[in-house]
Parts: sequence; C-alpha cells; structure tokens
Amino acid sequence: NAGVTQTPKFQVLKTGQSMTLQCAQDMNHNSMYWYRQDPGMGLRLIYYSASEGTTDKGEVPNGYNVSRLNKREFSLRLESAAPSQTSVYFCASNDRGGKPQHFGDGTRLSIL
Amino acid sequence: GIQVEQSPPDLILQEGANSTLRCNFSDSVNNLQWFHQNPWGQLINLFYIPSGTKQNGRLSATTVATERYSLLYISSSQTTDSGVYFCFCWVDAGNMLTFGGGTRLMVKP
Repeated sequence: NAGVTQTPKFQVLKTGQSMTLQCAQDMNHNSMYWYRQDPGMGLRLIYYSASEGTTDKGEVPNGYNVSRLNKREFSLRLESAAPSQTSVYFCASNDRGGKPQHFGDGTRLSIL
Repeated sequence: GIQVEQSPPDLILQEGANSTLRCNFSDSVNNLQWFHQNPWGQLINLFYIPSGTKQNGRLSATTVATERYSLLYISSSQTTDSGVYFCFCWVDAGNMLTFGGGTRLMVKP
C-alpha cells in the first residue's frame, strides 16, 4: 500500500522560477490537502480539496495555486518562487465525516 | 480559528521513564490526531482520537472532548521515541484545521 505519494522529495529553485509539486493517493479518499511546515513549527494549511472538482484556500494560500486533477491527484504550483516559500510541503488525504488524515513523506523545497 | 496548545514544549527523559503530553484546544472539534515526527521528518500517525481512550503498545491516548483536552501517554520510553509529537485538531466543515506547536522529546540512553 503506497498511501500518499509526493514527488519530488527534494528540490532547489532559484527565486522567480516556477515549480509544481505532485501528490497522489491510492486510498480512494475524497479530500486532499496541502500543508507547509517551517522550521520548528507545526504544519499550516495552504489549500484543500473537499472533493474532486473543488478547491478552497487555507490559512496561507498566497503565492500558490492548486489543481485537483482527478480523485487521486492534487498538485501544488509555485508560479514565481520566493525565498519565503522555502519549507517542507506535506500532502494529506482523508474521507469526509470523521476520518483520520494520512500524510505523505513531504517535499523539501529550498529557494535561493 | 481553533487554538491548539501543547505542553510541555520540550521534554528530556531517561530511557525507561514514563511521560504525559498534553493538548488543549479552544473550540469543539470532531477530529483529533496525535502524530510523531521522526528525525527524518516523517509524520507517523499514532492515534485518531476525537474522544475516549485508545492504547497501542507502550502508547495510549485519552481525549475529553467536553473539557477540550487530550493526553498522550508514553510508558517505558525508548530512544526511538525521540522526535516531535504533534496534536492536530480539525472540524469537518470548511478549513478549520490547526496543528499544535509540538512537544520535542529527547530520550537519553
């Protein structure tokens, strides 16, 4: 069981470059989420998708766009990367109605 | 939004000791999870526990939803228990999700 798979695991970008982080889940979950974790802190929600075809902003959406490509896949795009977006990005999924969230292993992104 | 506070922020234990980690939350939530973030950064799901008590080996957790707190118990700690423990609370409707600041645990041999 793969669970939630994120690619790539590591990436270094230059300021102004664009990048798409990929996330796929094989648990047939309806909801998917993107979080960021800055050093020494808990995770903060960037965007989420409650179901296929819908996306909504979380706590820290500025500078990001998302696409729910199908039920399995939810991508996060940085159009013009900034050093403040250096972070570890986690994708998660769950079913609605009182179910635990399952997390991927994270993408470590550095922007120089 | 929901406020989630964890205590203590840092904890150092000798191997074999027991500990209790606490999570207080400000509003009614219908979902609560405890995670262990290991030194490689992976988030390991320990418990999904919006209410009641659960046990898994040396770990157990209790959530008292009416009093808005949850406790994570670690017994006979091992060096592999080191890392950061997060409490995560959310409400099903909308985007009200909050992670606590974490408890950083170091278990010394």
